[in-house]
Amino acid sequence: QSVLTQPPSVSGTPGQRVTISCSGSSSNIRSTYVFWYQQLPGTAPKLLMYRNDQRPSGVPDRFSGSKSGTSASLAISGLRSEDEADYYCAACDDSLSGWVFGGGTKLTVL
Amino acid sequence: QVQLVESGGGVVQPGRSLRLSCVASGFTFSNYLMHWVRQAPGKGLEWVAFISYDGSEKDYADSVKGRFTISRDNSKNTLYLQMKSLTAEDTAMYYCARLDTAMVTSFCNYGMDVWGQGTTVTVSS
Repeated sequence: QSVLTQPPSVSGTPGQRVTISCSGSSSNIRSTYVFWYQQLPGTAPKLLMYRNDQRPSGVPDRFSGSKSGTSASLAISGLRSEDEADYYCAACDDSLSGWVFGGGTKLTVL
Repeated sequence: QVQLVESGGGVVQPGRSLRLSCVASGFTFSNYLMHWVRQAPGKGLEWVAFISYDGSEKDYADSVKGRFTISRDNSKNTLYLQMKSLTAEDTAMYYCARLDTAMVTSFCNYGMDVWGQGTTVTVSS
């Protein structure tokens, strides 16, 4: 059972917009930044979003992040087949004194 | 190019020890806080430990505290994870990862921007 809660899977068709939610608590998401990682099949994770809504260089603006209270979300617009991957939210947790990750969401592009 | 390469994984019996290494290249290793993150087969990511850029600060996930030790040798551009009293629950791919900003000690405001390819640890009799 992960400290941060994500839906196990989401799906969409090419060109569609999908969102992935991440639910936490006052000891993590509410009190700190949220980060998102993309893990393509068989590869290491990649930083996709930092400090809630900031994109690292090279990440397309089709990806956007937001945070409100104890929840965060990642939105992907103009869905493409290469977006098919696992997505993880992450944040520091005051009570655990370290990072916590969501359980991951598998995005399928139909 | 900026790169992290892990090694040291393998099959080990329960209760035994193993040391992982992560060699950095393409950046000034001694300026960066580093993490270990693991992923059990078919499961999600789990943060394991961090060490500050100068090695003065460390912390661990509760699941490994007292059994794992993170360390670094900045003269060798190498990060280590010494693991002891291994159990089947420690079976995972182990990744080292770099903080995305140099010379900071508080990692909560920063992501992990460079990851190694991982090294697999299997604990089995």
